[in-house]
Amino acid sequence: DAGVTQSPTHLIKTRGQQVTLRCSPKSGHDTVSWYQQALGQGPQFIFQYYEEEERQRGNFPDRFSGHQFPNYSSELNVNALLLGDSALYLCASSFKGPYNQPQHFGDGTRLSIL
Amino acid sequence: GNSVTQMEGPVTLSEEAFLTINCTYTATGYPSLFWYVQYPGEGLQLLLKATKADDKGSNKGFEATYRKETTSFHLEKGSVQVSDSAVYFCALSDQGNAGNMLTFGGGTRLMVKP
Repeated sequence: DAGVTQSPTHLIKTRGQQVTLRCSPKSGHDTVSWYQQALGQGPQFIFQYYEEEERQRGNFPDRFSGHQFPNYSSELNVNALLLGDSALYLCASSFKGPYNQPQHFGDGTRLSIL
Repeated sequence: GNSVTQMEGPVTLSEEAFLTINCTYTATGYPSLFWYVQYPGEGLQLLLKATKADDKGSNKGFEATYRKETTSFHLEKGSVQVSDSAVYFCALSDQGNAGNMLTFGGGTRLMVKP
């Protein structure tokens, strides 16, 4: 049973560029959330997708956008990259249900901005 | 808004010592509470959870009790091993959310020496 998979593992970009990160949820899960984890800090919620729509959004600018596909996989897009966007980006999946459904995390994509 | 506060690390212990990592929270509703663990270079793994007051979550020798009167969810283990060295995150999911967005604390690094 495959868990949450993310690609790529590492990515290096320069300021002003755009990046796309990908996530495949755990088998049986239909909800995908994205988190940003800066070095030495806890993860911060970016947004959550369910039924191909953004359902919740954290305090992140519009430069951060996403998409969910019919097979439940998801993409995170970041435009006009800033140095402060350097972080580990984590994808988490769960199935729609009571609010206390635990989320399962992938190993993340390490994004470095030069 | 919701928030989670953890004791700052690193916490350094000798093998077989007793572990406590403090966690307190602020939430508007009746949250579910979680502990996640992050090993170097990996994503987050769910360690344990509790969904209502006085519930005790437990897994792999770790325990935490949901204390509504003190808004706390402290993590404990009676005898730590070198393999427990990792970063531990306390998190909550609020009933008021449409989904199951997680709010994390800043993390506590545990280092266990042989």
